[in-house]
Amino acid sequence: DAGVTQSPTHLIKTRGQQVTLRCSPKSGHDTVSWYQQALGQGPQFIFQYYEEEERQRGNFPDRFSGHQFPNYSSELNVNALLLGDSALYLCASSKGQLFGQPQHFGDGTRLSIL
Amino acid sequence: DQQVKQNSPSLSVQEGRISILNCDYTNSMFDYFLWYKKYPAEGPTFLISISSIKDKNEDGRFTVFLNKSAKHLSLHIVPSQPGDSAVYFCAARADRGSTLGRLYFGRGTQLTVWP
Repeated sequence: DAGVTQSPTHLIKTRGQQVTLRCSPKSGHDTVSWYQQALGQGPQFIFQYYEEEERQRGNFPDRFSGHQFPNYSSELNVNALLLGDSALYLCASSKGQLFGQPQHFGDGTRLSIL
Repeated sequence: DQQVKQNSPSLSVQEGRISILNCDYTNSMFDYFLWYKKYPAEGPTFLISISSIKDKNEDGRFTVFLNKSAKHLSLHIVPSQPGDSAVYFCAARADRGSTLGRLYFGRGTQLTVWP
C-alpha cells in the first residue's frame, strides 16, 4: 500500500524561474492539500484540491497555482520564483471530507532558490 | 496569526522517563487535533489524534489530553525511548465551515531522548 509520494525530492532554481512539483496521494485517497514549510516553522497551508477543483486557499499569492487530475494526483506550480520561496513543500492526502480522519504526508520536495 | 502555538522549541528527557509536549490554540472552532512526528529528510508522520468531544486518547506509549476550556492539549510519551527523538508538531483543524480540513500547525518541539 503506497503512501503519499512526491517528486522530485530536491530542486534548485534561480529567481524568476517557474517550478512544478508533483504528488500522488495514498491509495484510496481523493483529496490533496499542499503545505509550505519554511526553516524553523510549522507547515503553512497553500491550497486543497478535491474533485479536481481548488476548494480552499491559504494566504499565498496567485503565483502559486495547482491542479488535480482524474486519478487524484496533483501538481503545484510556482511562477516568478523569489528567494523567499525556498522551503520544503509537503503534500498531504485524505479521503473525502475527513470527519475524524488524519491527513497523511509525503516526504516533501526541498526547493532551493538561488 | 499563529492559531496553534508550541511554546517550547525543545525538550530533553532521559530514556524511560515521561515526555510531555504542550500545545495551545486560540480558535474555538477547532474540533480535531493531531500530533505528527518528523524526522530530518522525511515528511510528518501521523502519531495520534483526538476529537473535541473527548478529553483523552491513548495509543500504546502515547496519550493525548485535551482541555477545551483552557484551549490546551498535551502529548505524553511513556516510557520515552531514544527512537522518539524527533520534531513533534501539534496541528488542529475544523471539520466544518469554510476552512474544512485545513490544518493549522504549531512551530514544533524538538524532543531529544538521551540514554
